[in-house]
Amino acid sequence: EAQVTQNPRYLITVTGKKLTVTCSQNMNHEYMSWYRQDPGLGLRQIYYSMNVEVTDKGDVPEGYKVSRKEKRNFPLILESPSPNQTSLYFCASQSRGAGVHEQYFGPGTRLTVT
Amino acid sequence: GEDVEQSLFLSVREGDSSVINCTYTDSSSTYLYWYKQEPGAGLQLLTYIFSNMDMKQDQRLTVLLNKKDKHLSLRIADTQTGDSAIYFCAERENDYKLSFGAGTTVTVRA
Repeated sequence: EAQVTQNPRYLITVTGKKLTVTCSQNMNHEYMSWYRQDPGLGLRQIYYSMNVEVTDKGDVPEGYKVSRKEKRNFPLILESPSPNQTSLYFCASQSRGAGVHEQYFGPGTRLTVT
Repeated sequence: GEDVEQSLFLSVREGDSSVINCTYTDSSSTYLYWYKQEPGAGLQLLTYIFSNMDMKQDQRLTVLLNKKDKHLSLRIADTQTGDSAIYFCAERENDYKLSFGAGTTVTVRA
């Protein structure tokens, strides 16, 4: 089954404790991205990657890092989480040449930073 | 990014029609999308329309586009409890990026 998986699905952590949210897709997609969803703001793009070792900032990259060492994985790293990073995070992937309407979304990771 | 705006809440009685509204800013040709997010789930693409169309119908869903006013609406006929969700309007920025509205939470009451 074609899918995007994220782990963990739920995470409660404390300020300053480094964490990583994993994202993996099994469709051999070149493009992957991370969004955060906040009430009243919709989804905003954090980082995206056009292919292995190619990453770039989205609209709200501050406080986040990403890496793309393998095509299937695109982890989101919070080196020193702060309460304003409490949010719902979505990973997405898409094949190059496909339309953006063919973008697949993961199930989401709800992060709470206290 | 582009600016996409939508109202935040809608309450509708089961069996009635729901109409969710959205405005966008991009004046060039583009695609516009409606996504549904059920509680605890990711985003599901419901339908999309190209900006040279006025209307698109798909079973209970009707999308209306007013290009002059840059206004998009999603009508759900015979709304059911399973239609309770957050609905996002989105505009294509490029081949890979979407600009999302804030989402409209639709609550269906018996």
